[in-house]
Amino acid sequence: QQQVKQSPQSLIVQKGGISIINCAYENTAFDYFPWYQQFPGKGPALLIAIRPDVSEKKEGRFTISFNKSAKQFSLHIMDSQPGDSATYFCAASMNRDDKIIFGKGTRLHILP
Amino acid sequence: NAGVTQTPKFQVLKTGQSMTLQCAQDMNHNSMYWYRQDPGMGLRLIYYSASEGTTDKGEVPNGYNVSRLNKREFSLRLESAAPSQTSVYFCASRTIQNSNQPQHFGDGTRLSIL
Repeated sequence: QQQVKQSPQSLIVQKGGISIINCAYENTAFDYFPWYQQFPGKGPALLIAIRPDVSEKKEGRFTISFNKSAKQFSLHIMDSQPGDSATYFCAASMNRDDKIIFGKGTRLHILP
Repeated sequence: NAGVTQTPKFQVLKTGQSMTLQCAQDMNHNSMYWYRQDPGMGLRLIYYSASEGTTDKGEVPNGYNVSRLNKREFSLRLESAAPSQTSVYFCASRTIQNSNQPQHFGDGTRLSIL
């Protein structure tokens, strides 16, 4: 019940295309859903986050879509660029809980 | 603007040797965490500390010990290193006082056990 399942494990997208990464969770007590971006040799860094009271959040080319009834959320990267090539992690946590549960990650490669 | 600082950045050990990975944060965060990252396994929580003086086991604590030295520092110790502990280790910190907040990560320690 604590798992966050992420897919796909790897993704190749042409420059200018849309990259889509999906995550699903079981625990309905989760109320904070961040996405992290990790470049080689670096630690993960927060990219964008959403709470379940909204269905979509957009920051520049990055959009989170959230479906509370299906217990799913996804990251869309519009107009994907080679600089977006990185590993992306979805995650979930409960309010005031110390732990964040991470998905296993998606390695995204944008072809120039 | 240091954020979370981990030392060392790289280390090679022989099986059976011990070592301590150091982590310090300057953001006045209450909670600190140690993760290991292995290919295809994502980030797995080893230990965490919700506040100074407290520590709790995560998903993969066996073979590790931790010390929350003060609010800034959280160290991870391998008493008798094994090849299965070859990994990239990340320290993170977070505050949860005012609602959910993201974790801030260091840039990792790359550890090889021969």
